[in-house]
Amino acid sequence: DVKVTQSSRYLVKRTGEKVFLECVQDMDHENMFWYRQDPGLGLRLIYFSYDVKMKEKGDIPEGYSVSREKKERFSLILESASTNQTSMYLCASSFVYRLRETQYFGPGTRLLVL
Amino acid sequence: KNQVEQSPQSLIILEGKNCTLQCNYTVSPFSNLRWYKQDTGRGPVSLTIMTFSENTKSNGRYTATLDADTKQSSLHITASQLSDSASYICVVSMLELANDMRFGAGTRLTVKP
Repeated sequence: DVKVTQSSRYLVKRTGEKVFLECVQDMDHENMFWYRQDPGLGLRLIYFSYDVKMKEKGDIPEGYSVSREKKERFSLILESASTNQTSMYLCASSFVYRLRETQYFGPGTRLLVL
Repeated sequence: KNQVEQSPQSLIILEGKNCTLQCNYTVSPFSNLRWYKQDTGRGPVSLTIMTFSENTKSNGRYTATLDADTKQSSLHITASQLSDSASYICVVSMLELANDMRFGAGTRLTVKP
């Protein structure tokens, strides 16, 4: 079974803090993704990576950065957290040449910025 | 305006009943459409995937249909169970690129005993 794990299920941070969200997958997937999910909106892509040290901006990259130093690990960084970044963050992974299969999602991290 | 619209936003049905969820999209070009199930507090899990040449795909009690001409899809759930309570998300891909998927906001289904 594919497993995508996220470092925290719930996080509470203060405005201005630097926040790290970690994601690990165990299926040797090339692609990894970070999304945010807000009520009434579909998932929105923040960043994705198709290889180690490679990254591409998604639809809403402002205020975020990412790091992929190892194939299995993809980190999302909020350099200076703001209240409008309160959201559910979902990590996903997939094979790069098998897009018709599926993305596998982690359980999500619910972040509250006070 | 979201390129993938789902209706209804929420739905409550009794256990054992059938229901149909709708997805309309304006995404173009079109490559494939997926339905995901997302349990509360969990990430989405894939139910079905259909390309433009497929108009029906089943996965147990879940049956998805696709009309690529009218850009509509539906997810029919037969003989609902309490465990079907979840959000159902419609996702449309344009060119099968990693960053071209468009997600609907989801339909929240509650199955009551």
